[in-house]
Parts: sequence; structure tokens; C-alpha cells
Amino acid sequence: SQQGEEDPQALSIQEGENATMNCSYKTSINNLQWYRQNSGRGLVHLILIRSNEREKHSGRLRVTLDTSKKSSSLLITASRAADTASYFCATDPRIYNTDKLIFGTGTRLQVFP
Amino acid sequence: NAGVTQTPKFRVLKTGQSMTLLCAQDMNHEYMYWYRQDPGMGLRLIHYSVGEGTTAKGEVPDGYNVSRLKKQNFLLGLESAAPSQTSVYFCASSYVGEGTEAFFGQGTRLTVV
Repeated sequence: SQQGEEDPQALSIQEGENATMNCSYKTSINNLQWYRQNSGRGLVHLILIRSNEREKHSGRLRVTLDTSKKSSSLLITASRAADTASYFCATDPRIYNTDKLIFGTGTRLQVFP
Repeated sequence: NAGVTQTPKFRVLKTGQSMTLLCAQDMNHEYMYWYRQDPGMGLRLIHYSVGEGTTAKGEVPDGYNVSRLKKQNFLLGLESAAPSQTSVYFCASSYVGEGTEAFFGQGTRLTVV
């Protein structure tokens, strides 16, 4: 079974609204990353948050991490049509000795103009 | 700067045929990964490598073999293709060390009939 699961599976919003997607994982981690995937393309790294961090910002992105609940959230503020994509969380589980990224199932975000 | 390049981009195989997918990176990364992406399943790790000459199994290794004879190349082989291996395959690479982002190729869409 997969390490991470995103919620919701799909999200539709209007331009200008905020989009929040959540990621839950199963085992202790070193860090958690969020990636974006445009349709038919490879994944692109967005932001990384380490296990000792609780919140991180990058432009219109805000990521939170709650290690006690084994969950993370990605907030995209003032969304744009160009933000339409799938978003994945990826964890680096502590049970492995080497860096190994395990991805979740993804959230498909649709932003309508 | 090419980054991570996958060849081929598309392929149709008959059941039982074999093929090799090639991943090449020009960023001098130590780590390389092969994932498969299926609808509703997110990305699942097939095999990975932490350096030239070393490989390790991921979450779904059965039916695949890999080799990392040169640092810049990571090959994924299917010895006897099955319809269940119809998927989009992504290669990724990253630097050594905890908390480094992964860079992805554009994917190979494989159909086994």
C-alpha cells in the first residue's frame, strides 16, 4: 500500500479562490515534499518541509506539517487557471536508510476562469 | 541543459515481448528512480539506485529489472511484457542527501496488448 494519500481526490474552484489539499502518510518521515504535474507531463518540485518544521511559504504556496497526525496540507492562495494540475505529496520515510521518495495518490485541481 | 531524458516517449508491445526504457540525466545526480503511474494510483516506485553499479527494489518491482552501469543512465527492462504493465513510466533523479528535490523526465507511455 502507498505511503501517502491526498484528499480530496479532485477539487474544482473559481479563479481567485484558495485551494487546499491534504496529505496523510503512515510512517515517520525525514521530510515531505509537494509536486505538481501538468497533464501529460513529468512532475515538478514545488516545496519541501522538514520533519522539524511546522509551516513553510513559497510565493502563493503555504505548506503545513503535523507530524503527530502524520498529515500535511498545501494551500494555494488566489488561484489562477494556470494552477490547474495534479498535486502530489511525497515522503522520505525514516524506515529506509537511503533517500527514497514515496508518492501519494494525488489531488486533481481544476481552476475555472 | 537537458535535465532528465527518457526514451522512447511512446511504445506499444505485444504480450511476451521485451523492451528496455532508457533514462539519462546530465546533472551528475547520484540517485535515480523508476516510477509507474496508473489512474487513481499515483506514482509507485519500481526500482531505484543510489549510485553507479547499485540498484534496489521499490514498492512494485516484480516483472522489471534495472541496471545502472553508468552514473548518468538508469535502464528499466521488461523481460516478458504483460498487459498489467500498461502504464506511464517516469524516471527521476536527485542529489545525495536528505531533503533534495527530485527531477523528473517527461514520461514513457507504454501499452501492452
